[in-house]
Amino acid sequence: AQTIHQWPVAEIKAVGSPLSLGCTIKGKSSPNLYWYWQATGGTLQQLFYSITVGQVESVVQLNLSASRPKDDQFILSTEKLLLSHSGFYLCAWSLSGDQAPLFGEGTRLSVL
Amino acid sequence: GDSVTQTEGPVTVSESESLIINCTYSATSIAYPNLFWYVRYPGEGLQLLLKVITAGQKGSSRGFEATYNKETTSFHLQKASVQESDSAVYYCALVANYGSSGNKLIFGIGTLLSVKP
Repeated sequence: AQTIHQWPVAEIKAVGSPLSLGCTIKGKSSPNLYWYWQATGGTLQQLFYSITVGQVESVVQLNLSASRPKDDQFILSTEKLLLSHSGFYLCAWSLSGDQAPLFGEGTRLSVL
Repeated sequence: GDSVTQTEGPVTVSESESLIINCTYSATSIAYPNLFWYVRYPGEGLQLLLKVITAGQKGSSRGFEATYNKETTSFHLQKASVQESDSAVYYCALVANYGSSGNKLIFGIGTLLSVKP
């Protein structure tokens, strides 16, 4: 069975500090991978997607970056956090672009 | 552009009552997008509840149903008799195509459902 694991579960960070969120998918090779973000009271927005190792496409510009160093790993990061980065970050995977992505548990980020 | 509009919550119903959460979509990048309902139960992650990829078809899961209506561009979520355990946030979503930019999953705002015992 496929499993998706995100880390950390929650983070409290200072404005201007760096951030790295991770996501690992087990049990499926060459998945499409996605990062989503939801601000408090806002809707879920797709930030990035990747269809293969080393290739990442940006969907929304939020002064964040993403990388896919391995087939089963997707990293979201920034060197300098903004207050507006606070929210809920979700990693997801699918077998193809038109399939329903399946989501991880998410990371709650608070930037103070 | 592509968008999803759904019932604004919170929605409160009593146990065993019927439920409908409205969802309408606008899809300019693709004629017949795949449509989904996701659910987030308290303390849990976002889960796929049901999906329909063919216009005119109905999807069902856990007593919930939704019919893909291309004439009214709607995908309303219905349940004949809700239970307290159905209390959750429900999201309507579609997959839109952006050509060389790939596919994009677009969500509605989410509807918080509270079922009273």
